[in-house]
Amino acid sequence: KNEVEQSPQNLTAQEGEFITINCSYSVGISALHWLQQHPGGGIVSLFMLSSGKKKHGRLIATINIQEKHSSLHITASHPRDSAVYICAVARGSTLGRLYFGRGTQLTVWP
Amino acid sequence: EPEVTQTPSHQVTQMGQEVILHCVPISNHLYFYWYRQILGQKVEFLVSFYNNEISEKSEIFDDQFSVERPDGSNFTLKIRSTKLEDSAMYFCASSVGPRETQYFGPGTRLLVL
Repeated sequence: KNEVEQSPQNLTAQEGEFITINCSYSVGISALHWLQQHPGGGIVSLFMLSSGKKKHGRLIATINIQEKHSSLHITASHPRDSAVYICAVARGSTLGRLYFGRGTQLTVWP
Repeated sequence: EPEVTQTPSHQVTQMGQEVILHCVPISNHLYFYWYRQILGQKVEFLVSFYNNEISEKSEIFDDQFSVERPDGSNFTLKIRSTKLEDSAMYFCASSVGPRETQYFGPGTRLLVL
C-alpha cells in the first residue's frame, strides 16, 4: 500500500488554464513537500508545508491536516510548467526520510 | 545560488562490478540523503546520514550498499556488487535540518549490464 496517492496521474491543459493536482496520504506527517521533476530528471523543491497555505508566484499549495490532503494549484498555466509534479511526505516518526507519490505528469499546450 | 552536485552524470557498469556515486552537498547543510528512481517508477528513499553516521535506512539499503563522507565536502554511495535491478537514477539531497527543505542534485543515471 502506498502511503501517498496522487491524482490525476496525467493532466493535459491549454495555456492559461487553472491547474489542480491532488495528494492524499494515510500516515501521520510532520511535513508535506511538493516537488517538480523536469524532463531531464532533475528534481526541484517547490514547497514544504505542515499547515495552511503557501504561495510562490503562480503556484499555490494548500494542506488540510485533518483530511490528510494537499493540493497544488497553478494559475495561468504556461507550457514551461510542463513537468512531473511529485508529492512527498515526511512522517512524524522519522527524521528526514521522504515517502513519495508516483507523480502527476502535466502537459500544457500553447 | 548554492547547489548539490553529483558525478558522474551517467555510469554504465557490468553486473557484479563495484560503483561509487559522488555527491557534494550544499556546504552548510548537515543532513544528507540518497534516493533512487527506477525508470517509470516513483522515487524511493535509500538512506539518510548525519554527524558521520547513518540515521535511517530503508529495506532497499542492504549490505551491498554503503555511504561515506570521506572528507568535509563529499558524500558517496557505494554499491559493492551491482545487479541488473540496481539500474536507476540515483539522487543525492541535502538539508540544513531533518525537517527542512531538501535540495536535490541532478542525479546519476546508472545502467547495469
